[in-house]
Amino acid sequence: EAAVTQSPRSKVAVTGGKVTLSCHQTNNHDYMYWYRQDTGHGLRLIHYSYVADSTEKGDIPDGYKASRPSQENFSLILELASLSQTAVYFCASSSQGYAEQFFGPGTRLTVL
Amino acid sequence: AQKVTQTQTSISVMEKTTVTMDCVYETQDSSYFLFWYKQTASGEIVFLIRQDSYKKENATVGHYSLNFQKPKSSIGLIITATQIEDSAVYFCAIMNNYAQGLTFGLGTRVSVFP
Repeated sequence: EAAVTQSPRSKVAVTGGKVTLSCHQTNNHDYMYWYRQDTGHGLRLIHYSYVADSTEKGDIPDGYKASRPSQENFSLILELASLSQTAVYFCASSSQGYAEQFFGPGTRLTVL
Repeated sequence: AQKVTQTQTSISVMEKTTVTMDCVYETQDSSYFLFWYKQTASGEIVFLIRQDSYKKENATVGHYSLNFQKPKSSIGLIITATQIEDSAVYFCAIMNNYAQGLTFGLGTRVSVFP
């Protein structure tokens, strides 16, 4: 069974502060993804990566950076958090680009 | 750009009956991949079933099956013999031929009553 973990599970941040969300997978998957979920917008792709040390922009990358230091780890970085970035963030991994994705439990981020 | 539309916001059904959910997609690609996911009340997102655009046969996994109508850009999800634990939000998603992540619809909330 795929195992994707995220930390922290919940976080409160201040506007203008830096936030780092972490994702770890133990499935030996090459592909990893970051999505955000908002009421009314569903799930939207922020960044993704298909190999360590390389990241790609998704559909809504503005205001976010990503880092993939190893195959197992994928981080999402908010350099200057804003109110509009309050959302639930999900990490996912897949063995191949076209394969089904396994999602982590999500991180609820509140920016005040 | 790809787009996924799920017009049904919510559906209520009695246990042990069949529920059908609609999904219409837009894509410029000739080859693509369609997925259905389920999000439970706890927030967990679980993969259910997929359909590759080049396959004519409808995919079936357990009590989940798809109604793929390529000329209509439609991929409906059918759940037979529903159970209380099928109560969840169901998302339709598409991935293009370049494996650039998923584009999701807004979801359909299904409530199964005893």
